Amino acid sequence: EAEVAQSPRYKITEKSQAVAFWCDPISGHATLYWYRQILGQGPELLVQFQDESVVDDSQLPKDRFSAERLKGVDSTLKIQPAELGDSAMYLCASSARLGGQETQYFGPGTRLLVL
Amino acid sequence: QKEVEQDPGPLSVPEGAIVSLNCTYSNSAFQYFMWYRQYSRKGPELLMYTYSSGNKEDGRFTAQVDKSSKYISLFIRDSQPSDSATYLCAARDSGGYQKVTFGTGTKLQVIP
Repeated sequence: EAEVAQSPRYKITEKSQAVAFWCDPISGHATLYWYRQILGQGPELLVQFQDESVVDDSQLPKDRFSAERLKGVDSTLKIQPAELGDSAMYLCASSARLGGQETQYFGPGTRLLVL
Repeated sequence: QKEVEQDPGPLSVPEGAIVSLNCTYSNSAFQYFMWYRQYSRKGPELLMYTYSSGNKEDGRFTAQVDKSSKYISLFIRDSQPSDSATYLCAARDSGGYQKVTFGTGTKLQVIP
């Protein structure tokens, strides 16, 4: 069964350092999402791509976060510089329309700890 | 006020019990409603997907949406220890970019 791949699974960094997360969506999925999930809360959308174009980045802290999906396939999310409040799970999802409904499939996430 | 509100729990029930999980929402434009299950340290997985008001059943799971009261429910019959997870309700409108809004999740523990 096809899955969304993410790496690394865990990342520990010190504040002010740069971190990057990678996501490989399910093959053929045009839409890719990056979410942040703080412990005890639901996922919150950071950025959404349709192919290589950003369609929603309204909640992305653009002073420190950037995201790209250059060839419309895999994607990278970067934080520079990292802050203590960035400690969270970063989830990538991709979606496809099946039977008339748009279904999002999530990867295992990258758990970030900023010290 | 969050657009989707959910009691975080935790909720503990004995094995075999019927579980009722609930959410409320405030955005009248929401048309599609979902329940995701998230095991510890894993990504969410889609459990149920419903459109507009009504019920949908899948095995031991029943999703219910009442748009008049903006209330979303998930019922789990004959609960099993393997159902122990966090359950996230979610909703989206019918707009072009499919943005999904999640609740905070309810942590469920089914005790053998």
